[in-house]
Amino acid sequence: EIVMTQSPATLSVSPGERATLSCRASQSVSSNLAWYQQKPGQAPRLLIYGASTRATGIPARFSGSGSGTEFTLTISSLQSEDFAVYYCQQYNNWPYSFGQGTKLEIK
Amino acid sequence: QVQLVQSGAEVKKPGASVKVSCKASGYTFTSYYMHWVRQAPGQGLEWMGIINPSGGSTSYAQKFQGRVTMTRDTSTSTVYMELSSLRSEDTAVYYCARVALGGMDVWGQGTTVTVSS
Repeated sequence: EIVMTQSPATLSVSPGERATLSCRASQSVSSNLAWYQQKPGQAPRLLIYGASTRATGIPARFSGSGSGTEFTLTISSLQSEDFAVYYCQQYNNWPYSFGQGTKLEIK
Repeated sequence: QVQLVQSGAEVKKPGASVKVSCKASGYTFTSYYMHWVRQAPGQGLEWMGIINPSGGSTSYAQKFQGRVTMTRDTSTSTVYMELSSLRSEDTAVYYCARVALGGMDVWGQGTTVTVSS
């Protein structure tokens, strides 16, 4: 089973600043990686698939990069609605594993 | 519009089974695989398995092998997830989610399953 590790667990950033979230896979997942945003009481929302392709309707301030075992989600200028929990997920091999999440909070 | 609508909350006793439904609309049901994902209170997302609505083939996470069954009814565009031998650790919100281009692009609203004696 591929283990996905996200860092940091919590990230405190001020609105308007840049946030950088990391995700590491225990073995290569090629570019078969997705990022999700989840707000309290809501289902997750797909942000990025294929490591770097934004899903439909996702603002350009969200960008993904990386391949193999190291991935990054960058939010270029944080808006109030961006404070949430973010998960990475690999779909290169079954079981499709998630990272434990990064909570992005207001500084 | 594309949507997945799940069945309502359930309360079950330990040892019982629960069956959660997920009705798809707004797209061709048999063209997209469907995942099931769960989230225990205050915890992260846990992948349970996947079903191909076209042929009904499934793949389950090792953790749930022998306890989970995923099925579909193409006549009603509905997928089902049944979990048996419930224990308190199975208390969670259960989601269905459609697969598109690898990612899970459409999610159900979630079904809360509470296991308590």
